[in-house]
Amino acid sequence: GNSVTQMEGPVTLSEEAFLTINCTYTATGYPSLFWYVQYPGEGLQLLLKATKADDKGSNKGFEATYRKETTSFHLEKGSVQVSDSAVYFCALRDNSGAGSYQLTFGKGTKLSVIP
Amino acid sequence: DAGVIQSPRHEVTEMGQEVTLRCKPISGHNSLFWYRQTMMRGLELLIYFNNNVPIDDSGMPEDRFSAKMPNASFSTLKIQPSEPRDSAVYFCASSLAGAGANVLTFGAGSRLTVL
Repeated sequence: GNSVTQMEGPVTLSEEAFLTINCTYTATGYPSLFWYVQYPGEGLQLLLKATKADDKGSNKGFEATYRKETTSFHLEKGSVQVSDSAVYFCALRDNSGAGSYQLTFGKGTKLSVIP
Repeated sequence: DAGVIQSPRHEVTEMGQEVTLRCKPISGHNSLFWYRQTMMRGLELLIYFNNNVPIDDSGMPEDRFSAKMPNASFSTLKIQPSEPRDSAVYFCASSLAGAGANVLTFGAGSRLTVL
């Protein structure tokens, strides 16, 4: 089956530090990959996505590259801000057939950025 | 657009009581999802509707849970009778099936506490 594994949190960083949140996946076929962000008290929001190998998704200074050879989609940001404090979810959508509407989410990684 | 609207935002009830959660998807979206989020299990897909028809309810925990979508602009998730282990945040999400099916828009969630 499909699965997504994220690094365990919480992650605490100082403002302007470099961020990496690791994400690896297993899937049949060729999935689309996503990062969603959940700010306190809110629902999940799409942060970025990539639909094929070597694609790079980017948004708000965050980037992630679809690496088929390592089955990874690590999230990075060069300089985090306090406003980036949130829970980040890696997800995949398996495009291979039945059930392909469904997103499989990782457990989430809580990021806290301190001034 | 106001986004996906869920109500109530918070619900505290006693074991054995009936709970009804409501969702208004984004106008024009034809797919609707109910998710449950807990610390232990993360995000779990409960049920998926396409064009108001339930397509996959394999994630519904047991017969105490039921969901309906009487029209394109309204869905309910009902728990009867509720139990303490049902305490969670319940999210509704909608999308436009087809080319945009990858991207889910989530509501802010309904936090349920069953005492």
